[in-house]
Amino acid sequence: GAGVSQSPRYKVAKRGQDVALRCDPISGHVSLFWYQQALGQGPEFLTYFQNEAQLDKSGLPSDRFFAERPEGSVSTLKIQRTQQEDSAVYLCASSLSRGNTEAFFGQGTRLTVV
Amino acid sequence: AQSVTQLGSHVSVSEGALVLLRCNYSSSVPPYLFWYVQYPNQGLQLLLKYTSAATLVKGINGFEAEFKKSETSFHLTKPSAHMSDAAEYFCAVSGIRMTFGKGITLSVRP
Repeated sequence: GAGVSQSPRYKVAKRGQDVALRCDPISGHVSLFWYQQALGQGPEFLTYFQNEAQLDKSGLPSDRFFAERPEGSVSTLKIQRTQQEDSAVYLCASSLSRGNTEAFFGQGTRLTVV
Repeated sequence: AQSVTQLGSHVSVSEGALVLLRCNYSSSVPPYLFWYVQYPNQGLQLLLKYTSAATLVKGINGFEAEFKKSETSFHLTKPSAHMSDAAEYFCAVSGIRMTFGKGITLSVRP
């Protein structure tokens, strides 16, 4: 596709439910990033992939958060046993080269945990 | 370690007035610096970036920013604000990962 695509755009989950958020990066982009954006805040780094390798997951807030990119293209961010503090917009970004010289962002998934 | 400071959370200007959004950064290595704009319920759109070439960087929609190493600043300016500039603006510094400031909401008064 022409840009980074994320689905679903909106997700409402009951506390304790598992959710999976999908990111389709721009075709051919090597690097993929996940960010969490709380209301009124800037995006916070969660994790980084270079192709299928997860090179940095230091931003994942707990072991309930898990991300994968098995074939080096589509990525999924999974949150187990969701809690209210997980409510946020989850942004995916991809870039053509290694690192983060210029990242293109998707529209995000707004997760609301009730 | 790297960080970004965006002073103030809200800037209001009149249409046609100068826009100045401040950004100061901290980085242990020569930085890549970015300004992104975010409209409601949208992702981030790149306005401009500094990658160690010219210190005055021109971006889209008439915005520009000047990298000042001595001041560790990368302030965003636009000579004449337009109503369509009303949005959230984020400054970011990048090594491998990108670190964002908290953002500034720009309001434009008619």
